[in-house]
Amino acid sequence: EAGVVQSPRYKIIEKKQPVAFWCNPISGHNTLYWYRQNLGQGPELLIRYENEEAVDDSQLPKDRFSAERLKGVDSTLKIQPAELGDSAVYLCASSFRQGLAADTQYFGPGTRLTVL
Amino acid sequence: GQQLNQSPQSMFIQEGEDVSMNCTSSSIFNTWLWYKQDPGEGPVLLIALYKAGELTSNGRLTAQFGITRKDSFLNISASIPSDVGIYFCAGRGNFNKFYFGSGTKLNVKP
Repeated sequence: EAGVVQSPRYKIIEKKQPVAFWCNPISGHNTLYWYRQNLGQGPELLIRYENEEAVDDSQLPKDRFSAERLKGVDSTLKIQPAELGDSAVYLCASSFRQGLAADTQYFGPGTRLTVL
Repeated sequence: GQQLNQSPQSMFIQEGEDVSMNCTSSSIFNTWLWYKQDPGEGPVLLIALYKAGELTSNGRLTAQFGITRKDSFLNISASIPSDVGIYFCAGRGNFNKFYFGSGTKLNVKP
């Protein structure tokens, strides 16, 4: 079974430029997460989708970050404009959640963003 | 947000030694997860724990969900060089939100 797919794997941009990341979750997973991981830290949640609905975006810096999950499958995360402090690894994860059952997340390889 | 304290931050051990690391939280969690992350890759799930007191093994790895629901530990027995990496704990709190520790970097000397 294919895992979570992310692209690109690496991106280098200049500050104030826009950037977009793409994620394809594991087939059948209805929950999708975007995390940001700074160097030497654990992942921090940016946004969580259940199907097409963003159910938790409290940590998403909405002035410059946006995300969408059309049709409840693939998702894109965009930053516009990028700032130096946005340099990090952006991880996508997916899980299958049914009712109140506990779920576990499976991560993609991440996109390493460097803003110059 | 909720804080997860993971310790130790790093460890240097000899091949064949056992390893123990733990996570504590100021809040109660419903699920504890342990991940391993290799350089340039995403975290890979090692063990998931769903009930307080639960003790679960996966090969040489053993993890426990603390009885207070505020802590968890991971043990690795008879370490080998491929155990090198960063180990993260994660807890699932209210509203199905996951919180991650800052990681334990494991180095194994052959």
